[in-house]
Amino acid sequence: DTAVSQTPKYLVTQMGNDKSIKCEQNLGHDTMYWYKQDSKKFLKIMFSYNNKELIINETVPNRFSPKSPDKAHLNLHINSLELGDSAVYFCASSLQGGVYGYTFGSGTRLTVV
Amino acid sequence: AQSVTQLGSHVSVSEGALVLLRCNYSSSVPPYLFWYVQYPNQGLQLLLKYTSAATLVKGINGFEAEFKKSETSFHLTKPSAHMSDAAEYFCAVSEGNAGNMLTFGGGTRLMVKP
Repeated sequence: DTAVSQTPKYLVTQMGNDKSIKCEQNLGHDTMYWYKQDSKKFLKIMFSYNNKELIINETVPNRFSPKSPDKAHLNLHINSLELGDSAVYFCASSLQGGVYGYTFGSGTRLTVV
Repeated sequence: AQSVTQLGSHVSVSEGALVLLRCNYSSSVPPYLFWYVQYPNQGLQLLLKYTSAATLVKGINGFEAEFKKSETSFHLTKPSAHMSDAAEYFCAVSEGNAGNMLTFGGGTRLMVKP
């Protein structure tokens, strides 16, 4: 019973392609997030959705578009992929502002060639 | 705005020695503080969290951390390092509002020598 699951785990694609990463949580949490971890392991917030509503949208190229069909799912679509998009993308979820912690998925390693 | 500074991007200890990983935070409101561990090619696992209860927090795998408001610190310790503790450790802060994000420090790579 995976709490926060992401697919795919690995994604290798060519520059210019469009790709999506899916995330689902079965914890009943009300908020979901996308984080990007770069090659130096630095973790940066990209987006946050609370009950399907976008509440955080950091400075991210508009080639990245999150979509939340319901509060258990948050997908990330990336258009016109660039070499610099290569990173590990983590989905996470929380309840009530993170009082009980944040649960992370196992990550999607995206490699753009 | 919230921020986290982890002093020392790499820490090396001998097996059996004390582990001390330093974390200082900045927050405009009473913070929620977390330590996460990331093993190679894996996701982030919660070690422990401080959410305004006891200032000394015990976590998994023998780790603990103490919240010191006067020093704005939340250092992570373990009395005796094991080889299996070698990993990347992240300190993080949240302001606890609905939908508030978790802000991470830059991480500390812990290496354990035999």
